[in-house]
Amino acid sequence: DAMVIQNPRYQVTQFGKPVTLSCSQTLNHNVMYWYQQKSSQAPKLLFHYYDKDFNNEADTPDNFQSRRPNTSFCFLDIRSPGLGDAAMYLCATSGGGGSTDTQYFGPGTRLTVL
Amino acid sequence: GQNIDQPTEMTATEGAIVQINCTYQTSGFNGLFWYQQHAGEAPTFLSYNVLDGLEEKGRFSSFLSRSKGYSYLLLKELQMKDSASYLCAVTDSNYQLIWGAGTKLIIKP
Repeated sequence: DAMVIQNPRYQVTQFGKPVTLSCSQTLNHNVMYWYQQKSSQAPKLLFHYYDKDFNNEADTPDNFQSRRPNTSFCFLDIRSPGLGDAAMYLCATSGGGGSTDTQYFGPGTRLTVL
Repeated sequence: GQNIDQPTEMTATEGAIVQINCTYQTSGFNGLFWYQQHAGEAPTFLSYNVLDGLEEKGRFSSFLSRSKGYSYLLLKELQMKDSASYLCAVTDSNYQLIWGAGTKLIIKP
């Protein structure tokens, strides 16, 4: 089945210790998104890629970086995690690039910062 | 500013019908999505409305009125597995997806 896969599902890191979250997709979609979601809040878009074109949201902290080495994979790097970065991180994909396309989500990675 | 409003929490009884409302104020409109999100899991797509009216999909229906900036999600024959958060999201004129905070639906036997 075509899908969006995120690894790991649960990640624990130390305050200030870099961490990388990964996302892969077998849907062959052009667009990949990274969202941060805290409990009982709306998902917050961090950045998205249309193919290799990177789009950073204006309020995404510099502490968050992303890489998309090919169509299938996308990574979220948190350079120096703080306690406030503990959240669910969601990867999503869509086919056409315009946001009228449905976004399909991976299962998420829950990040704990100790 | 852009805003999506949904009730924070609703409670309903198994087998009943519930309507979850969503109102929006956005810069332009290019469609409205409803997603279901179980606790600790990712959102899953339920419906998309871009024209006024009712879209029906089995036990779930979604309604849109663009002139009123209003949508609702109607869930019939509620089952315990329908306990989840329901998120409304609107695509604005820049094709940015604006998310609501979600409505937590609690189903009681």
